[in-house]
Amino acid sequence: EPEVTQTPSHQVTQMGQEVILRCVPISNHLYFYWYRQILGQKVEFLVSFYNNEISEKSEIFDDQFSVERPDGSNFTLKIRSTKLEDSAMYFCASNYNEQFFGPGTRLTVL
Amino acid sequence: QKEVEQDPGPLSVPEGAIVSLNCTYSNSAFQYFMWYRQYSRKGPELLMYTYSSGNKEDGRFTAQVDKSSKYISLFIRDSQPSDSATYLCAMSKTQGGSEKLVFGKGMKLTVNP
Repeated sequence: EPEVTQTPSHQVTQMGQEVILRCVPISNHLYFYWYRQILGQKVEFLVSFYNNEISEKSEIFDDQFSVERPDGSNFTLKIRSTKLEDSAMYFCASNYNEQFFGPGTRLTVL
Repeated sequence: QKEVEQDPGPLSVPEGAIVSLNCTYSNSAFQYFMWYRQYSRKGPELLMYTYSSGNKEDGRFTAQVDKSSKYISLFIRDSQPSDSATYLCAMSKTQGGSEKLVFGKGMKLTVNP
């Protein structure tokens, strides 16, 4: 069964460093998303992406964040200068009719 | 008022019990309603989705939507220890496309053997 995959599963970084989280969406899906979940809190929408453009972004998705589809399979989330409060699980999702989520990347900012 | 509210529990039941999980919402524009199951430190896994009001059944799981009350439910019959997980409700205004999902906080369920 096709699935969304994400790498790495866990990323530890120092505050102020750049991180890139990677995702491989399901191959025939056209819409891609990033969500995050701070420990003990809701899953929150960050950004949606279609046809190589951002479709919608939340207020969380500020200038420190960017997304890219560098090739036909990968979808990345970059955080330019990480803050302590960026520590969370980051989930990639892709959509044909329903959204399917990847296993997540746990980002720890020290 | 929060857009989607869900009692976070935790809820603990004996094996075989009927479980009822609920969410309320405030935005009447929501048309599609989903239930996801999330195991510890894993991604949300889609269980069921429904459109507008009504019921949908899939094996031991039944999803209900009451748009007039802005209230959705998930029932689990004959609950099993393997059902132990966090259950998230989610909803959106449209299906598919680039529409974002809005989640409840999730209810942690433990089914005891």
